[in-house]
Amino acid sequence: DIQMTQSPSSLSASVGERVTITCRASQAIDSYLNWYQQKPGKAPKVLIFAASRLQSGVPSRFSGNGSGTEFSFTISSLQPDDFATYYCQQSFITPPLTFGGGTTVDIK
Amino acid sequence: EVELVESGGGVFQTGGTLRLSCSAAGFTFSASAIHWVRQASGKGLEWLARIRDRGHSHAPTYSVSINGRSTVSRDDSRNMAYLEINSLKTEDSAVYYCTRGSSKDGYNFFGYWGLGTLVTVSS
Repeated sequence: DIQMTQSPSSLSASVGERVTITCRASQAIDSYLNWYQQKPGKAPKVLIFAASRLQSGVPSRFSGNGSGTEFSFTISSLQPDDFATYYCQQSFITPPLTFGGGTTVDIK
Repeated sequence: EVELVESGGGVFQTGGTLRLSCSAAGFTFSASAIHWVRQASGKGLEWLARIRDRGHSHAPTYSVSINGRSTVSRDDSRNMAYLEINSLKTEDSAVYYCTRGSSKDGYNFFGYWGLGTLVTVSS
């Protein structure tokens, strides 16, 4: 199975800051990489699919980049509503559609 | 509007069996794969199982963690999907979600999720 490794596991940031999360796949997955946001007590919500394509209705401050084994997810200017946990997920070889371990973004 | 609603959670004993249900509405259920994902308290997301659509003969696939002790099924006439896990372990305690796969230009992701149902397994 493909393993997904996210870093950091948590970070503290202020409103307005630029935040970047990385995700590494154990083998090349082309651009088959998704990013989800999850808030406490809620189901995850897809933000980005195909490594860099914004899901409909998602604000443009969210972006994704990468291909192969190295990927990044960026929030250009952190907003109060963005404090949450973010997960990457590969969809190249499925199943299983493996998730990264998650990155919790909290308030500095 | 797409809606997924899980039910069947609760408190179970180790060694027992649980059966979760997922009720779907707002889309062509018979043409959609349904996945199950769980999340233990304070932990990350774990994909568990998929049951494919009618066109793919409802083929099931399981994660290693539940393979051999689980069955995923569906009833397209009722827009329902099910996940049964037996020989329950305490580590099966989690919130269980059903999700509907989405696809755009060949890229798959989980576009729709239920609210989840909480399962607690105790000895």
